[in-house]
Amino acid sequence: DAGVIQSPRHEVTEMGQEVTLRCKPISGHNSLFWYRQTMMRGLELLIYFNNNVPIDDSGMPEDRFSAKMPNASFSTLKIQPSEPRDSAVYFCASSLSAGTGHGYTFGSGTRLTVV
Amino acid sequence: TQLLEQSPQFLSIQEGENLTVYCNSSSVFSSLQWYRQEPGEGPVLLVTVVTGGEVKKLKRLTFQFGDARKDSSLHITAAQPGDTGLYLCAGDDYGGSQGNLIFGKGTKLSVKP
Repeated sequence: DAGVIQSPRHEVTEMGQEVTLRCKPISGHNSLFWYRQTMMRGLELLIYFNNNVPIDDSGMPEDRFSAKMPNASFSTLKIQPSEPRDSAVYFCASSLSAGTGHGYTFGSGTRLTVV
Repeated sequence: TQLLEQSPQFLSIQEGENLTVYCNSSSVFSSLQWYRQEPGEGPVLLVTVVTGGEVKKLKRLTFQFGDARKDSSLHITAAQPGDTGLYLCAGDDYGGSQGNLIFGKGTKLSVKP
């Protein structure tokens, strides 16, 4: 298995533009997580899905952020409009099943810079 | 809000030295995981500890879960430059946090040759 695949690896965009981050989880994993990592705040959970259904989106900063998982092999995180404070590394992770002690497999992340 | 506190925040040592990093909480966890993250990459799972008092070894790395399942430690013997990275602990609290892991902020380790 190629692991969790994220794209793009790097994204530089202007303030106000729409940004879409993509993730392909490991086949057979039922849970998918979106995290944001910054030096100040560490890893922050934004949202997670079980069997393609959003379970907890309390970490989504505001209405500018949205996430979808239309099927078991694909998820997107969208920011519209983007702001400089959204600059961070965004990680997608998948797991066999949340809340059961299974480890997470992380992708390599998308480094987002909003100028 | 449950928190996992990791200490120290930063650690810079010479190759060959031993070190211990800590992960503490006031909450009980059903299991605890340790991850290592290298620059430009996502965290990678090193180990999961489940039983209070459990000790697991991974080559030069020794992981221990506290008897009360509230804390854990990671000891590295004879550190090497390849051990450099961010070490994260993450707790699973019986699904109390709606089923996701709670991550600490990590210990950033630098091992100099």
